[in-house]
Amino acid sequence: GQNIDQPTEMTATEGAIVQINCTYQTSGFNGLFWYQQHAGEAPTFLSYNVLDGLEEKGRFSSFLSRSKGYSYLLLKELQMKDSASYLCAVSDSNYQLIWGAGTKLIIKP
Amino acid sequence: GAVVSQHPSWVICKSGTSVKIECRSLDFQATTMFWYRQFPKQSLMLMATSNEGSKATYEQGVEKDKFLINHASLTLSTLTVTSAHPEDSSFYICSARPSGKEIEQFFGPGTRLTVL
Repeated sequence: GQNIDQPTEMTATEGAIVQINCTYQTSGFNGLFWYQQHAGEAPTFLSYNVLDGLEEKGRFSSFLSRSKGYSYLLLKELQMKDSASYLCAVSDSNYQLIWGAGTKLIIKP
Repeated sequence: GAVVSQHPSWVICKSGTSVKIECRSLDFQATTMFWYRQFPKQSLMLMATSNEGSKATYEQGVEKDKFLINHASLTLSTLTVTSAHPEDSSFYICSARPSGKEIEQFFGPGTRLTVL
């Protein structure tokens, strides 16, 4: 079967760094996405990785290891507005998105 | 660019009535649109894949006669929840894939449905 695993909840301090991990097992792989979702809103795109390595975009970076079926999202210089759920999703062999359950990130002052 | 709208953004209806939700790609054509449902504190669940000019493909466990999908043009897909019941109350989100692209999906803002 297809499976995406990520932690349910994480807590971090404003100004710090946090890493959210995602492991996956899917039928085929056409890339991995990270989305941010605030409560009551639709997901917004953060990053897309299809090749191994680190993609950096401002305060957010995303890493992929296809051989390990592993990705992480790294958030630096955390701000209170970063409190949200972070969703990991994999595009499978049919280009359909398989979603993780999301990681709720709580930022404390 | 790549804006997707949904209408209405929220709706309250009585049990037994039908509700139609529209999903529009405003500045691009979308051969394929996706309908998701999200219950509180859960992730997105794909309900169906809507293809312009053909029948939608429903995920296992989603009743096609209850959730009617029409994708009559390259910029519009509609989801009709027929004979809605309180358990259908959820956050419904659509996404649109630009024609010719296989990876990208752009999400609408979602529709909050509450069935009394």
